[in-house]
Amino acid sequence: GDSVTQMEGPVTLSEEAFLTINCTYTATGYPSLFWYVQYPGEGLQLLLKATKADDKGSNKGFEATYRKETTSFHLEKGSVQVSDSAVYFCALWFSGGYNKLIFGAGTRLAVHP
Amino acid sequence: DAGVIQSPRHEVTEMGQEVTLRCKPISGHNSLFWYRQTMMRGLELLIYFNNNVPIDDSGMPEDRFSAKMPNASFSTLKIQPSEPRDSAVYFCASSFRVAGEENEQFFGPGTRLTVL
Repeated sequence: GDSVTQMEGPVTLSEEAFLTINCTYTATGYPSLFWYVQYPGEGLQLLLKATKADDKGSNKGFEATYRKETTSFHLEKGSVQVSDSAVYFCALWFSGGYNKLIFGAGTRLAVHP
Repeated sequence: DAGVIQSPRHEVTEMGQEVTLRCKPISGHNSLFWYRQTMMRGLELLIYFNNNVPIDDSGMPEDRFSAKMPNASFSTLKIQPSEPRDSAVYFCASSFRVAGEENEQFFGPGTRLTVL
């Protein structure tokens, strides 16, 4: 079935370090891909998305490129801040299937000063 | 807009009691989702509604769980009777869904349920 696999956390970085959180997916069609972020004590919120192959989503310094050939949507940021500490969820959706978001397990990021 | 509103924010109850969680989606949104989040199982979709109609309830754990959406501005998730394993954070989310597109889901702050 359709699924999303994320790298296990926690990911611990120092401020200004480079961030990569890996995400790969399995889907029978051509899904749209999303990154959601959950700050402590809050609900999830959309960070960025890409709807077709080679699209790059970006927001708040974060980027992710939809790679159809490797079925991946890795999240990157060039210089993380303490305020980026949160749990990051990769998700997929496509209209030909279940018409609902399928989330990965989430990756916790902790950034230290 | 106030965003998605959930109540209560915290609920502590004893095993066997009935629990009702409430959600007010963002005005104008036509899709509503109930999720459950635990450390062990992560984020799980329980049920979602489109235009107040339940579309997929395959994630509802068992008959003790029920959800209703009597109108476009209100939904409830009820657990009767509650059990300790139901302890989790329950999120409600809403979106404006157009056929063939997945638009952003807006999440509420969640209800933290503890069943003793």
